[in-house]
Amino acid sequence: DVKVTQSSRYLVKRTGEKVFLECVQDMDHENMFWYRQDPGLGLRLIYFSYDVKMKEKGDIPEGYSVSREKKERFSLILESASTNQTSMYLCASSPGAPQHFGDGTRLSIL
Amino acid sequence: GENVEQHPSTLSVQEGDSAVIKCTYSDSASNYFPWYKQELGKGPQLIIDIRSNVGEKKDQRIAVTLNKTAKHFSLHITETQPEDSAVYFCAASMGGPGGRGSTLGRLYFGRGTQLTVWP
Repeated sequence: DVKVTQSSRYLVKRTGEKVFLECVQDMDHENMFWYRQDPGLGLRLIYFSYDVKMKEKGDIPEGYSVSREKKERFSLILESASTNQTSMYLCASSPGAPQHFGDGTRLSIL
Repeated sequence: GENVEQHPSTLSVQEGDSAVIKCTYSDSASNYFPWYKQELGKGPQLIIDIRSNVGEKKDQRIAVTLNKTAKHFSLHITETQPEDSAVYFCAASMGGPGGRGSTLGRLYFGRGTQLTVWP
């Protein structure tokens, strides 16, 4: 089975902190994705990567950056966390389709 | 870009009844349509998908239909059970099941349907 592992299930940070969310997949997938999930808004794509060191903006990239130094790892970075970034963050990977999701990181910014 | 709309946002059914969730998409280039189920505290899991060259696909109690002309697709769950209670998401992609690289691999999601099955 495909395994997508997000490093933390729950995370609490303070406004202004630099926050790192980590995601690792074990299936040698080329594509990796970061989504944000908020009630009533569904899954919104923040960034995705289709190769090592490659990245593309999704629909809501403002306030975020990403890093993909190795094929199996995709990191989401909140440069200066703000309260409106409190949300559930989901990572996914795929060889093209389908996408396989991790169980999410619930991030609270105080 | 692609726009996917999903209805209804909430759905309550009695155990044993059928449930239908409908989605529409805007871009006729979309050719791959997966459905995901998200249980509480977990990430979305693929339950069924369909490609644009197929009109219907079944897997036990779950079926998906696709109407390319009208640009809509639906999820049908028969003989619902309490464990079917979850949030369901539809999605569309232009890359097909083999889409690789750049924008081909991205999915456009609907906003989700909260399905509740009452015993």
